[in-house]
Amino acid sequence: DAGITQSPRHKVTETGTPVTLRCHQTENHRYMYWYRQDPGHGLRLIHYSYGVKDTDKGEVSDGYSVSRSKTEDFLLTLESATSSQTSVYFCAISVRGAGDTQYFGPGTRLTVL
Amino acid sequence: DQQVKQNSPSLSVQEGRISILNCDYTNSMFDYFLWYKKYPAEGPTFLISISSIKDKNEDGRFTVFLNKSAKHLSLHIVPSQPGDSAVYFCAASSAGGTSYGKLTFGQGTILTVHP
Repeated sequence: DAGITQSPRHKVTETGTPVTLRCHQTENHRYMYWYRQDPGHGLRLIHYSYGVKDTDKGEVSDGYSVSRSKTEDFLLTLESATSSQTSVYFCAISVRGAGDTQYFGPGTRLTVL
Repeated sequence: DQQVKQNSPSLSVQEGRISILNCDYTNSMFDYFLWYKKYPAEGPTFLISISSIKDKNEDGRFTVFLNKSAKHLSLHIVPSQPGDSAVYFCAASSAGGTSYGKLTFGQGTILTVHP
């Protein structure tokens, strides 16, 4: 157990509304990641963080933004949700970053109607 | 451009037999490889990893083999158990530069182990 929680676990929202997903960790790990999982695509990296206020884009970052004002929290925001953002979102941490194992949270299932 | 590919969407195996899951990659900069197992409604769980300086890593019933020249890795589960039924993802990363440990995942293979 890597001490990662995600909230909410499930959310249904409407197209055009903003949505924020939260990832919380209890062990002060430096590196945090947001992925989405879709059938046929595996997990794809949305954004990642390598420290407080240090974030960067992954391969599918369009329509998403992130913030990390504290070590323990990494927020993912869908600025204006679209149906194509219906997915399962996973947060992950690693201790050392490069060449290290990532550990995942339980996921958030988001449905955009 | 899919840099990590799992070409078998599903695999069905009898309990007690060997399960072999395969993964191919195209990026020669990848030097760390991992396998994750995922049950429905849960996050992926780390299973086993291998560095590019090795060609084999073993942990109990799980063994990962890496063939760098073929850019291919495989996960062997012996003996397979019904509780192994899950989706298996391979993933790869590069330790160099500003990779920050980003993982690139394959599409996943659904393993079903029949009693």
